Amino acid sequence: QITLKESGPTLVKPTQTLTLTCTFSGFSLTTSGEGVGWIRQPPGKALEWLALIYWDDDKRYSPSLKSRVTITKDTPKKQVVLTMTNMNPVDTATYYCAYRLGLDDPPFHHWGQGTLVTVSS
Amino acid sequence: DIVMTQSPDSLAVSLGERATINCKSSQSVLYSSNNKNYLAWYQQKPGQPPKLLIYWASSRESGVPDRFSGSGSGTDFTLTISSLQAEDVAVYYCHQHYKTPQSFGQGTKLEIK
Repeated sequence: QITLKESGPTLVKPTQTLTLTCTFSGFSLTTSGEGVGWIRQPPGKALEWLALIYWDDDKRYSPSLKSRVTITKDTPKKQVVLTMTNMNPVDTATYYCAYRLGLDDPPFHHWGQGTLVTVSS
Repeated sequence: DIVMTQSPDSLAVSLGERATINCKSSQSVLYSSNNKNYLAWYQQKPGQPPKLLIYWASSRESGVPDRFSGSGSGTDFTLTISSLQAEDVAVYYCHQHYKTPQSFGQGTKLEIK
């Protein structure tokens, strides 16, 4: 059974750096075709794709956030970490991690429950 | 960037009736090398993460009721619910995973009339 769970601070101050951890089970992120991504959703708004890391450590970022976002993985710990610098109130959102498997770049079949991050002084 | 535009923004349908949601991409999401449309549909209920319904534009995810179907190719896609059930009340999103950055539509809120 594949599961993903996001963890991290619920409240950050403007200009601070956010670090979120996605802890997963049911897969290794070392098998060809595996990937874990981060997607966020401001309250009442649409989904926004942020970043994706592949089994071979290849990474993809949203150009609009690339200067602020870093995605890394720690496969022995079964974790994927998202770091976002210079947080702003507009970054207030539920942050999801999600998993996909396939060499033909499929969509996300499995999602975590999400974690709400509020940016406020 | 590929922009995904859904229509309508909201929709009210009677129980047992058909619901149709459209999604248009600003450029084709059909990959000619494998003839696959990199277009997925998700259902999101309040307080829950998105749930994958349809992938490759028309393939139904395991466990998804067969009243859900997807169609279309290139830039124009449709999600159809053939006979609306009460549990289908949700927001529906289309998603292109053809090019980075991946992108989602703005969502369509489906309600019971």
